[in-house]
Amino acid sequence: AQSVTQLGSHVSVSEGALVLLRCNYSSSVPPYLFWYVQYPNQGLQLLLKYTSAATLVKGINGFEAEFKKSETSFHLTKPSAHMSDAAEYFCAVENSGGSNYKLTFGKGTLLTVNP
Amino acid sequence: SQTIHQWPATLVQPVGSPLSLECTVEGTSNPNLYWYRQAAGRGLQLLFYSVGIGQISSEVPQNLSASRPQDRQFILSSKKLLLSDSGFYLCAWSGLSGTEQFFGPGTRLTVL
Repeated sequence: AQSVTQLGSHVSVSEGALVLLRCNYSSSVPPYLFWYVQYPNQGLQLLLKYTSAATLVKGINGFEAEFKKSETSFHLTKPSAHMSDAAEYFCAVENSGGSNYKLTFGKGTLLTVNP
Repeated sequence: SQTIHQWPATLVQPVGSPLSLECTVEGTSNPNLYWYRQAAGRGLQLLFYSVGIGQISSEVPQNLSASRPQDRQFILSSKKLLLSDSGFYLCAWSGLSGTEQFFGPGTRLTVL
């Protein structure tokens, strides 16, 4: 069974600082991995996805993530935080064992950006 | 382009009352459809998913049910709401050949 662990339920950074949100997964098959962002009282928006192509994936809003099989990690980074990046971020893994694209989500990391 | 709608946006209901939340998708055919519940600090919990009209899979035994009367319509229901049904309900869709899911704006349900 797949699972996702997001280290740190709350991360606080200063504006202009590096953003690093951690995600580790477990999967019995090669995974597909996703990062989503959620602003207050809104649905989730896809930031980026890894589907077994390039291990460094670039997404929207300047975010990127690197798939590291040896570390079973898919950490999300952004070189310089903006105030508008304040939101909750979810990492997800696809259950690709033939079960119709179900996603398993982590519990989320709330990102706060301080001026 | 594809869009996904949910209504109502917010709902306050008394314990024991019925529930009906609706989700519709535009701009695609034969989508996989999903209902999630999000409780504070607990991430997303998959409640139901559907791969076709009338085909519903339940992930968690509970007080809720789902139906898919049309290809692009997904309904979440309850006959009698419990306090524990409060939360943020999200509908999502994915394409048959895609892997990612696309989410609707959500419905905030408060059961009093």
